Amino acid sequence: DQQVKQNSPSLSVQEGRISILNCDYTNSMFDYFLWYKKYPAEGPTFLISISSIKDKNEDGRFTVFLNKSAKHLSLHIVPSQPGDSAVYFCAARVGANNLFFGTGTRLTVIP
Amino acid sequence: DTGVSQNPRHKITKRGQNVTFRCDPISEHNRLYWYRQTLGQGPEFLTYFQNEAQLEKSRLLSDRFSAERPKGSFSTLEIQRTEQGDSAMYLCASRAPYTDTQYFGPGTRLTVL
Repeated sequence: DQQVKQNSPSLSVQEGRISILNCDYTNSMFDYFLWYKKYPAEGPTFLISISSIKDKNEDGRFTVFLNKSAKHLSLHIVPSQPGDSAVYFCAARVGANNLFFGTGTRLTVIP
Repeated sequence: DTGVSQNPRHKITKRGQNVTFRCDPISEHNRLYWYRQTLGQGPEFLTYFQNEAQLEKSRLLSDRFSAERPKGSFSTLEIQRTEQGDSAMYLCASRAPYTDTQYFGPGTRLTVL
């Protein structure tokens, strides 16, 4: 039972353009959402998060949007850079407990 | 702050052998989590500790798996009688009190032959 879904396995974007990564969830009890970036042979690196009481959080080039009614969140990267090429995981949490992860989206930023 | 560390980074073993992994969390992080990641999937929760207490275990954690955090600092994850299906990346994460973000280590990649 996949409670967090990332339906796009891959995304290619030109350098300088916007990257939009999407995530859907099914559990309405999720109260905190995170995005992680992962390079091969490394652990996930925290990028940005958002509480369920907000609908937007911004940190430099990264913005996360949360639409609770649609159970959907997205990560926007503007402008995209070649160093952003990695696998991006969406994760969600209920209370103080473990994270539920999506299956990831591989972002390739083309120079 | 040196981040979460895990040892070994790679482990190759034969089916039926026991293996043990170690995780050192970020200093003063009281919560410690173990996850497993297989190819093409996101990390899946195995178990977590608050200080030395193991508070939750996933149904993925069969009785061949055991985790400890004896002094509330580092943690070990042992797999007994390994099977080929145990081949995966084992990730450890830690979280500070009254914060929301889990920080991950580099993982231990286990290959069972």
